[in-house]
Amino acid sequence: DSGVTQTPKHLITATGQRVTLRCSPRSGDLSVYWYQQSLDQGLQFLIQYYNGEERAKGNILERFSAQQFPDLHSELNLSSLELGDSALYFCASSASDRQNIQYFGAGTRLSVL
Amino acid sequence: GQSLEQPSEVTAVEGAIVQINCTYQTSGFYGLSWYQQHDGGAPTFLSYNALDGLEETGRFSSFLSRSDSYGYLLLQELQMKDSASYFCAVRDTRDDKIIFGKGTRLHILP
Repeated sequence: DSGVTQTPKHLITATGQRVTLRCSPRSGDLSVYWYQQSLDQGLQFLIQYYNGEERAKGNILERFSAQQFPDLHSELNLSSLELGDSALYFCASSASDRQNIQYFGAGTRLSVL
Repeated sequence: GQSLEQPSEVTAVEGAIVQINCTYQTSGFYGLSWYQQHDGGAPTFLSYNALDGLEETGRFSSFLSRSDSYGYLLLQELQMKDSASYFCAVRDTRDDKIIFGKGTRLHILP
């Protein structure tokens, strides 16, 4: 158990809809990262928050947004969903904002029908 | 551009040693990380090289040479449970983006 909690585990929705994925980092970790992993693909970095502030941005679509709350949990919002958004979405946390030592949650599997 | 190259697949025999290479093209990075991911599972952190040289953690070792733009993960005394995908990753100093390689699927034969 990495200590990172993601909910829900599975999400099935329709095109055009909006969903919210939630992540609670390990106790004491200030950084939260979001990744997308499509079938047989590597991990695509979406965005990082550090202590409530956006720290780094990857290839995140404009339809996607995220935030980190004062209690350090984070949410990833995906809107105007398309079939191609179907993927595994992972959240990870780390103590540092620079070192690439991250602990991943179990992921949310999103299916857009 | 920023990229990490890894072999897509490697096959080895149980009990043997295997090396998974990672070459990169990025102007600067904070360190090289390695993650393991079993099918259907989440990535788990294995090793991090901030500096050149060898880092050893049990059966796993990782190496980094910034001058050669190259690193590798070495797995010794292979066990069937080591069958998984292995990813190298860096954080680019220019824009702080995190880049993962496409992963190496390790097949272990009995």
